[in-house]
Amino acid sequence: DIQMTQSPSSLSASVGDRVTITCRASQSISSYLNWYQHKPGKAPKLLIYAASSFQSGVPSRFSGSGSGTDFTLTISSLQPEDFATYYCQQSYNTPITFGPGTKVDIK
Amino acid sequence: QVTLKESGPVLVKPTETLTLTCTVSGFSLNNATMGVSWIRQPPGKALEWLAHIFSNDKKSYSTSLKSRLTISKDTSKSQVVLTMTNMDPVDTATYYCTRIIAAARHIDPWGQGTLVTVSS
Repeated sequence: DIQMTQSPSSLSASVGDRVTITCRASQSISSYLNWYQHKPGKAPKLLIYAASSFQSGVPSRFSGSGSGTDFTLTISSLQPEDFATYYCQQSYNTPITFGPGTKVDIK
Repeated sequence: QVTLKESGPVLVKPTETLTLTCTVSGFSLNNATMGVSWIRQPPGKALEWLAHIFSNDKKSYSTSLKSRLTISKDTSKSQVVLTMTNMDPVDTATYYCTRIIAAARHIDPWGQGTLVTVSS
């Protein structure tokens, strides 16, 4: 199975901050990397697919980059509604695997 | 509008078999470009992919849970069923039914989820 790691596991930030979350795969996954936002009590939401493609309706402050084993999710200017847990997920092969998550909370 | 809705028991006893049903609308289970996945999240823990099934009936399972899982579909009813045998308290989780896009295998949208508690 491909193992996914994320860093940091949590971070505190202020509204307006630029936030970067890193995801690393245990082997090359090309660009088969997706990002999700999860708020308590709600269903996770797809933000970015194929490493850098925007899901329809997602604000442009979210962006993704990377290929191979190293990927990043960037929030250019953190908004109050962005406080959540973010997960990366590899879809290069099955079994599909998720990272452990990065919790973004208010500083 | 694509929606997925999970249904099943909220409480199961240890050793019992869990059966969850996902009813989809807004897309067909015959559509070759998409399938249905089940994903769970134990309280306070990360997301864990369990299984998926595509229109050609191709199925894939979590390595660690493969022996306990079965996924199937009834296209006429727009339903996907997941069974998990020999339930244990560690299987207590919110179980999500989701659509998976075949090309890049990204997951969107997700059902609202159903909390299943395993307890005697």
